[in-house]
Amino acid sequence: GAGVSQTPSNKVTEKGKYVELRCDPISGHTALYWYRQSLGQGPEFLIYFQGTGAADDSGLPNDRFFAVRPEGSVSTLKIQRTERGDSAVYLCASSPGRNREQFFGPGTRLTVL
Amino acid sequence: ILNVEQSPQSLHVQEGDSTNFTCSFPSSNFYALHWYRWETAKSPEALFVMTLNGDEKKKGRISATLNTKEGYSYLYIKGSQPEDSATYLCAFYGNQFYFGTGTSLTVIP
Repeated sequence: GAGVSQTPSNKVTEKGKYVELRCDPISGHTALYWYRQSLGQGPEFLIYFQGTGAADDSGLPNDRFFAVRPEGSVSTLKIQRTERGDSAVYLCASSPGRNREQFFGPGTRLTVL
Repeated sequence: ILNVEQSPQSLHVQEGDSTNFTCSFPSSNFYALHWYRWETAKSPEALFVMTLNGDEKKKGRISATLNTKEGYSYLYIKGSQPEDSATYLCAFYGNQFYFGTGTSLTVIP
């Protein structure tokens, strides 16, 4: 079956713009995670969904970041008023349940000019 | 923010050598420890999920041990091959996931 997919693979935007990053998890996986990875760092946790609800959004850096998963499958990470510091690779992962192994997508490389 | 530390940061070994590296994590509020392998231009791939103190897991030439009381896990690779070259990430699962910065392994043919 298909793995986790993320679109777009690359996104270049200007400071102040709004962007949406999409994650399609593995079918049937109830848990979905968003991470941000900056150069030389490990993935930094942003938000975790169990089903449709955000079970833990404590990793979102500020209120410009928001994520949804309205039907418990596809998730969208939304960033308002982008800043240059938001430039990073945004990784999505899904899992059959909490604390099970995570399956990662290829990431979206966001560049804010 | 919790400290999940991995050492060494990078490692070069000759093909055929065995090697190991360390992940250190808080010993309180432990739920699980994950190991992932991340090759360049690919997605991280799960190696092990470890939950019990004293756990030892093995997959081919790669094995891992877990000590939750002292807060460390070792990853071992026996007889390293060039295809083992990757970054090895550990992730501590307490209240949320905290990834280390990884150990970058290069196996020289």
